[in-house]
Amino acid sequence: QVQLVESGGGVVQPGTSLRLSCAASGFSFSSHGMNWVRQAPGKGLEWVALIWYHGNKGEYADSVKGRFTISRDNSKNTLYLQMNSLRAEDTAVYYCSRINGYRDDYWGQGTPVIVSS
Amino acid sequence: QSALTQPRSVSGSPGQSVTISCTGTSSDVGAYNYVSWYQQHPGEAPKLMIFDVNKRPSGVPDRFSGSKSGNTASLTISGLQAEDEADYYCCSYTDTYTDVIFGGGTHLTVL
Repeated sequence: QVQLVESGGGVVQPGTSLRLSCAASGFSFSSHGMNWVRQAPGKGLEWVALIWYHGNKGEYADSVKGRFTISRDNSKNTLYLQMNSLRAEDTAVYYCSRINGYRDDYWGQGTPVIVSS
Repeated sequence: QSALTQPRSVSGSPGQSVTISCTGTSSDVGAYNYVSWYQQHPGEAPKLMIFDVNKRPSGVPDRFSGSKSGNTASLTISGLQAEDEADYYCCSYTDTYTDVIFGGGTHLTVL
């Protein structure tokens, strides 16, 4: 069955960096685009970044453009999100999700990121 | 881009029907039939309930249905059950085919 498992979250200080990972299994990872979506405490879902199956290019929300980089290693069935220059407003649970057509049909359980001094 | 507009909360009694609206623009909801809806229970990951405006993934009860008119999409839940109490989010890809935009979320209370 399809499984997405995020890792790498934690508590970090403002201005520092963190890299999230999303390990995929149960499907052909290299055939699907992938999203990162985040949810701040008590708030709604916010799309963060998208990468297509070939991994040549990522697309980003304006709120993270220039600071975050999405990437993938299809040989390891793993999706990444490199987060630099972290801010307090980046505090959230970060989910990875599988794109199927124009919907996200499977989601991981999320990894929390807390940016605090 | 601004989030799609959803009511903050709706409620209904068991067995009744409720409809949640999701209003966007001609650049997102109104542009293409790529609206999806997600259900999220507290502490859990979102779950896909409706895609491409009105299609249901396997395993989702047919009590859940979707529709769209102009720039507004809607999710209707009929025969409300206690387990339907959750947050619901609409989502649309935009006319750039690269950006994704979510609604602010609607909390459904089953009275």
